[in-house]
Amino acid sequence: DVKVTQSSRYLVKRTGEKVFLECVQDMDHENMFWYRQDPGLGLRLIYFSYDVKMKEKGDIPEGYSVSREKKERFSLILESASTNQTSMYLCASSLSQGDNSPLHFGNGTRLTVT
Amino acid sequence: TQLLEQSPQFLSIQEGENLTVYCNSSSVFSSLQWYRQEPGEGPVLLVTVVTGGEVKKLKRLTFQFGDARKDSSLHITAAQPGDTGLYLCAGPHTGFQKLVFGTGTRLLVSP
Repeated sequence: DVKVTQSSRYLVKRTGEKVFLECVQDMDHENMFWYRQDPGLGLRLIYFSYDVKMKEKGDIPEGYSVSREKKERFSLILESASTNQTSMYLCASSLSQGDNSPLHFGNGTRLTVT
Repeated sequence: TQLLEQSPQFLSIQEGENLTVYCNSSSVFSSLQWYRQEPGEGPVLLVTVVTGGEVKKLKRLTFQFGDARKDSSLHITAAQPGDTGLYLCAGPHTGFQKLVFGTGTRLLVSP
C-alpha cells in the first residue's frame, strides 16, 4: 500500500512565524501535491510538483512556497504565518499516468495560527 | 475555472435508508473520481468513472457518470454507520495531472 506520511497531526504557531509542513511518500510517485481543506470550500490546491526541483502554483499559492529536493519528500513553507492560514493541510501523491491517476493522501496536518 | 458543486452539503439519516449525492459542473470532464474521507484521515479513492453514462457498483454504492460528462451521482442503498464520512468528487484540470475537488457532502448515518 502507498503510504503518505505527514510529519505532524497538529501544529500551533504564532502569527509571523515561519512554518514547515513535511510530507514523505514511499511509492516512488512522480507527482506530489499540497491542498488545504476548509469547511464548505472542499480541497483547494496550493502547489504541486511533477518531479524533483520542479514546482507549479495551484489555485491559492499566495503566502506559501514549496521545496522538493528529493523525489519522496515535498515540503510546504509558510514564510510568515497568518491567522487566515489556519486550516487542515493535506499532502498527496500520484503516479504520472495521466488524468485518471488516483491521489493517495496523508492523514493531514491541522494548523492553528494564533 | 472548472468548478464542481456537490449537493446536499450535509445529510443525516438513519441506518437502512437510501440516499443520493450529486456532483455537478458546467464544464465537461474527461473523468470523475469519488473519494471518502473519514474523521482524522485523508480522502481515499472509491471509484473513477471515465465514460459518459457509465455506471459502477461498489457493494451498496452505485456511481453514475452523466451522459454529457458534466455531472455524477453516488447512490447508497441501505446505509450503514460505517458509511459515515465526507464524500468528495474530483475531476482533472484540462491538460494537467491535477484534480479539482467538489465542495463535499458530509454524511452521518445513525444506528
